[in-house]
Amino acid sequence: GAVVSQHPSRVICKSGTSVKIECRSLDFQATTMFWYRQFPKQSLMLMATSNEGSKATYEQGVEKDKFLINHASLTLSTLTVTSAHPEDSSFYICSARLPARETQYFGPGTRLLVL
Amino acid sequence: AQKITQTQPGMFVQEKEAVTLDCTYDTSDPSYGLFWYKQPSSGEMIFLIYQGSYDQQNATEGRYSLNFQKARKSANLVISASQLGDSAMYFCAMRGAKGGSEKLVFGKGTKLTVNP
Repeated sequence: GAVVSQHPSRVICKSGTSVKIECRSLDFQATTMFWYRQFPKQSLMLMATSNEGSKATYEQGVEKDKFLINHASLTLSTLTVTSAHPEDSSFYICSARLPARETQYFGPGTRLLVL
Repeated sequence: AQKITQTQPGMFVQEKEAVTLDCTYDTSDPSYGLFWYKQPSSGEMIFLIYQGSYDQQNATEGRYSLNFQKARKSANLVISASQLGDSAMYFCAMRGAKGGSEKLVFGKGTKLTVNP
């Protein structure tokens, strides 16, 4: 399957700081990437769809000014959690779809802990 | 709206036996895709198998097979010859019609425990 990487894998930060998470497709170009959030013992919830060269599409209830998404190239999308608070502590995971294929491949995820 | 239902919060199976994880779905799209992912404790989401709504045959990938019953709107995952490494969370997901939203909607998951 296709390889998607995420960095960092784990981050601990103080409340009020901003955290950037990178998602890269390593062996293919992805015009669309997806960002999900997963709270403990819960399912994945889509936060936003990241489109290369255009604005991201956010799901209802997700604050676009708080969760900034940039898809600057066909292999890189970034999620910045601005002014993070303890309630933003979660597992953030990205995915990318192979062109002309059905399957979304996921990165290994980033565990964010805001103190 | 699309919805995925996984009614089994947890399942137990003996090593080397087969197990079926249930998934039912609801959608008004005539064309859709169904997926199963495995999530071990490390958190990564591992793609297992895909079934398209117009596929005539049930999908199979090694020890994984998808029992697709369109009329019942079910897409159960069958794991044959369970292994200890199969212990993980399993999520069923659905994607909407092509040309429309590509996003995946996930069920709540089933925690599978394989006993030696």
